[in-house]
Amino acid sequence: NAGVTQTPKFQVLKTGQSMTLQCAQDMNHNSMYWYRQDPGMGLRLIYYSASEGTTDKGEVPNGYNVSRLNKREFSLRLESAAPSQTSVYFCASIKYSRETQYFGPGTRLLVL
Amino acid sequence: EDKVVQSPLSLVVHEGDTVTLNCSYEVTNFRSLLWYKQEKKAPTFLFMLTSSGIEKKSGRLSSILDKKELFSILNITATQTGDSAVYLCAVSTGTASKLTFGTGTRLQVTL
Repeated sequence: NAGVTQTPKFQVLKTGQSMTLQCAQDMNHNSMYWYRQDPGMGLRLIYYSASEGTTDKGEVPNGYNVSRLNKREFSLRLESAAPSQTSVYFCASIKYSRETQYFGPGTRLLVL
Repeated sequence: EDKVVQSPLSLVVHEGDTVTLNCSYEVTNFRSLLWYKQEKKAPTFLFMLTSSGIEKKSGRLSSILDKKELFSILNITATQTGDSAVYLCAVSTGTASKLTFGTGTRLQVTL
């Protein structure tokens, strides 16, 4: 089992460019989440998908879109990147509620 | 708005010391409180607490939850340099088990 995987590991974008961050899990988990982590801010929830076919906004959804492509994959898209989106992005998944979330290794994004 | 507050923000101790990290919360639809350790990469799971007063232990680490006073503590005894990390407290809420994180406590253990 690879667990939760994320691609790419690191990306540099120019302001206004778009990109998609990929996340996949092979644990047959039902729910998936995208967080961002900024210095001194902890992790904040961007979007989540409670089950295949559903997505909902988290605490900081502005500037992002998501797609739950199937049960395994949950992607995060930046349509027009801004310097304020420079951050480390973590994907997480969980099989059932009342269980711990498993985190991917993270994607470090720098927007110039 | 759900809120999780950790204290202290950072601390430096000597190897062998005992430390206590604090986490207080104000949330709706509480499901559980979780502690994670983060060392320059993804958070790794330490404990999940759902019931008040029941201590969870793993080696030198232990944690307890007080649902009446809305806080939890994480204790680390006989600290080692390998314990140096950011310790994150998070509260899971709602049927979708969304996590609200505190800003973390940065622990540095020196020789």
